[in-house]
Amino acid sequence: QKEVEQNSGPLSVPEGAIASLNCTYSDRGSQSFFWYRQYSGKSPELIMFIYSNGDKEDGRFTAQLNKASQYVSLLIRDSQPSDSATYLCAVNMGNQFYFGTGTSLTVIP
Amino acid sequence: KAGVTQTPRYLIKTRGQQVTLSCSPISGHRSVSWYQQTPGQGLQFLFEYFSETQRNKGNFPGRFSGRQFSNSRSEMNVSTLELGDSALYLCASSSLTSGANEQYFGPGTRLTVT
Repeated sequence: QKEVEQNSGPLSVPEGAIASLNCTYSDRGSQSFFWYRQYSGKSPELIMFIYSNGDKEDGRFTAQLNKASQYVSLLIRDSQPSDSATYLCAVNMGNQFYFGTGTSLTVIP
Repeated sequence: KAGVTQTPRYLIKTRGQQVTLSCSPISGHRSVSWYQQTPGQGLQFLFEYFSETQRNKGNFPGRFSGRQFSNSRSEMNVSTLELGDSALYLCASSSLTSGANEQYFGPGTRLTVT
């Protein structure tokens, strides 16, 4: 059973703080990992992807991958109210995407 | 470059009817995947097409089918609609030429079955 797990939240952080979103996956052979942001009533939007161990930074977003622990995370620095959304973790396992159920993030002004 | 487009955006159907949804991928993308999203189940994979061939299929009944045309546009069909088929249906395209094979989603079709 291939699974991707996320804490459903809700996660609340004050404006300007760092939001940390976590994801674990079951298939040790997985090669690529993705974070999507989904606003209520909208479709998922790709934020970033990572396929090498370590950190990958893009603006205020940092993805962290630890394949040994089968763990991927997303850090959002200087969180803004516009970051309030559901964040979906996705893993490409065997040429098929598996999605977590998402973590709801609220940034409080 | 234009994004993924889906038509129609909203649809209301009655139980027992059938429905066809359409998806046009990003230009140059040859892989199209379909997902069903409901509040209770999250994003569930339906199937993926590449070069007019179904490569992967999720755990959905045979009432759900799809196809892809030579221009990479894809359609999915749901026959004998049930109330539980009410959901947001999302299409995602991928070029399969980049290292991560990332997927980009269209705006979705909101299907309501009454």
